[in-house]
Amino acid sequence: DAKTTQPTSMDCAEGRAANLPCNHSTISGNEYVYWYRQIHSQGPQYIIHGLKNNETNEMASLIITEDRKSSTLILPHATLRDTAVYYCIVRPGSSNTGKLIFGQGTTLQVKP
Amino acid sequence: GAVVSQHPSWVICKSGTSVKIECRSLDFQATTMFWYRQFPKQSLMLMATSNEGSKATYEQGVEKDKFLINHASLTLSTLTVTSAHPEDSSFYICSAIAGDKNGELFFGEGSRLTVL
Repeated sequence: DAKTTQPTSMDCAEGRAANLPCNHSTISGNEYVYWYRQIHSQGPQYIIHGLKNNETNEMASLIITEDRKSSTLILPHATLRDTAVYYCIVRPGSSNTGKLIFGQGTTLQVKP
Repeated sequence: GAVVSQHPSWVICKSGTSVKIECRSLDFQATTMFWYRQFPKQSLMLMATSNEGSKATYEQGVEKDKFLINHASLTLSTLTVTSAHPEDSSFYICSAIAGDKNGELFFGEGSRLTVL
């Protein structure tokens, strides 16, 4: 079973920040939070991951709460091409055996 | 970034035939690969874990004789859907762990199977 819960869907206006929440209250100390997104009929695309510190890359920012029980993915300036299903997943980091179990994800609809 | 390639990207076959889908890691060695299945408007469901040179480990409810997985080299895993039926029509996605890239996980583009 997936160890994360996310809202089923969200809307965001084009150009505004999209904030996607994720709850992972049973996360273990060695588990990282990963975010992927899937555009229709394509394989999942890696976005970002983190352990306990906030992370930022060219695609997004990841904010992890101090108790690590939840996190938020931030797309700073959403575009129409960001419309996708976003998956939050926990997985042991630096592991050659850590499989990813997907939950239902959040369908983000960016509107003009 | 690392690339995982699947082939074919889509295939249509008749009921009762077998279909093979390939998953290749193009620029890294994949010690472990995973196979997922995704039905319309649903999430990815893990089918099996495949380790190079050993038998695949199947998730509960996935028939190992129906979905044959072979991982004969560090860059190639194959999924064969045997005696396919219309209910096997789905989007099949592989992913690979890059052992030489700190264990990061990369996904293929997916293969859409339609069984008539």
